[in-house]
Amino acid sequence: DVKVTQSSRYLVKRTGEKVFLECVQDMDHENMFWYRQDPGLGLRLIYFSYDVKMKEKGDIPEGYSVSREKKERFSLILESASTNQTSMYLCASSFNWQRSAGELFFGEGSRLTVL
Amino acid sequence: GQQVMQIPQYQHVQEGEDFTTYCNSSTTLSNIQWYKQRPGGHPVFLIQLVKSGEVKKQKRLTFQFGEAKKNSSLHITATQTTDVGTYFCAGRKSGTYKYIFGTGTRLKVLA
Repeated sequence: DVKVTQSSRYLVKRTGEKVFLECVQDMDHENMFWYRQDPGLGLRLIYFSYDVKMKEKGDIPEGYSVSREKKERFSLILESASTNQTSMYLCASSFNWQRSAGELFFGEGSRLTVL
Repeated sequence: GQQVMQIPQYQHVQEGEDFTTYCNSSTTLSNIQWYKQRPGGHPVFLIQLVKSGEVKKQKRLTFQFGEAKKNSSLHITATQTTDVGTYFCAGRKSGTYKYIFGTGTRLKVLA
């Protein structure tokens, strides 16, 4: 079974803190994604990566950065957390389009609260 | 930018009634996927549609992709309490890696 593991299910941080959200997948997927999920807004893409050290901005990249130093790991970084970044963060991974239909496999999510 | 709208936002049905959610994209899509998220869970892939006018069935679920590849629907026949959750469509434009998700339809089934 594909496993996408997010490092923390629940985090509480203070405004201005630096926050790291880690995601690891064990299926040798090329693509990895970070989404945030908010009520009424669905899932919005923050950043994605289609290869090691490659990244592209999604629809809401402001206030976030990412790192992909190894194929299996994709990190989301909030340089200076703000209250409007309180949300559920979902990591996902998939094979590239040449290897599969591109089904996304999601982690369990990390619920971040910024006080 | 590309937008994917989904309606309705909420739907409450009596068990045994049918349910449909609709997905509309502002741009032509290469393919569309559907996901289900149970309460407290994460989205789980249901199906992918690629061809114009494609129709696929999974037991009581019927998925359609529009002729213009800009809209899609998911229809559930005779809902059951196990169908409860939020259903999302996700569309991808040709030449990109990005899937843009719809806003989701939350389904409640009353026993």
